[in-house]
Amino acid sequence: AQSVTQPDIHITVSEGASLELRCNYSYGATPYLFWYVQSPGQGLQLLLKYFSGDTLVQGIKGFEAEFKRSQSSFNLRKPSVHWSDAAEYFCAVGATDTGGFKTIFGAGTRLFVKA
Amino acid sequence: DAGVTQSPTHLIKTRGQQVTLRCSPISGHKSVSWYQQVLGQGPQFIFQYYEKEERGRGNFPDRFSARQFPNYSSELNVNALLLGDSALYLCASSLLGGGTSEQFFGPGTRLTVL
Repeated sequence: AQSVTQPDIHITVSEGASLELRCNYSYGATPYLFWYVQSPGQGLQLLLKYFSGDTLVQGIKGFEAEFKRSQSSFNLRKPSVHWSDAAEYFCAVGATDTGGFKTIFGAGTRLFVKA
Repeated sequence: DAGVTQSPTHLIKTRGQQVTLRCSPISGHKSVSWYQQVLGQGPQFIFQYYEKEERGRGNFPDRFSARQFPNYSSELNVNALLLGDSALYLCASSLLGGGTSEQFFGPGTRLTVL
């Protein structure tokens, strides 16, 4: 069965420091991969996505992610974190099985940014 | 242009009751997906509809059902409510079905079951 694991429940980084959020997935075929951000009162917003091609994808707000098939990973990175990046981050995989298409989300990583 | 809209914003029901949640997609979008997000967890996929047909179903009991109307709006129905159904219910619209079209999420309906 398809699954998404985000090993870190929460992460704290200093403003201006670099960030890496981890994501591992389980899916037999080439997956569609996504990162979303959820802020209070803002709803879920797509940061970036990977379908095929270049394994390093650029997203909005200065985020990027790298797809590593050998490690079944799709880690999110940002070189310099801003206080406004504090939010919940979700990795997701789009997959097709006997039930049709579905998007499976990880449990999320809460990012705290300290001044 | 308006984004995805959901109604109501909040809802309180008691166990055993039935509830209907509504979603209006972005104009021009033909696909709607429903998710359940329990506090402290990631969204869980319930259904995807495209062109009024079910295109995907998650691991939810038959108490959960949905439909999509000719104007592409959608309703999610939950029968025989349980305490565990308390959650934020999210609707997302996309231009196409499947996974290649970006999903735009609504603000959600907060359901509390007492």
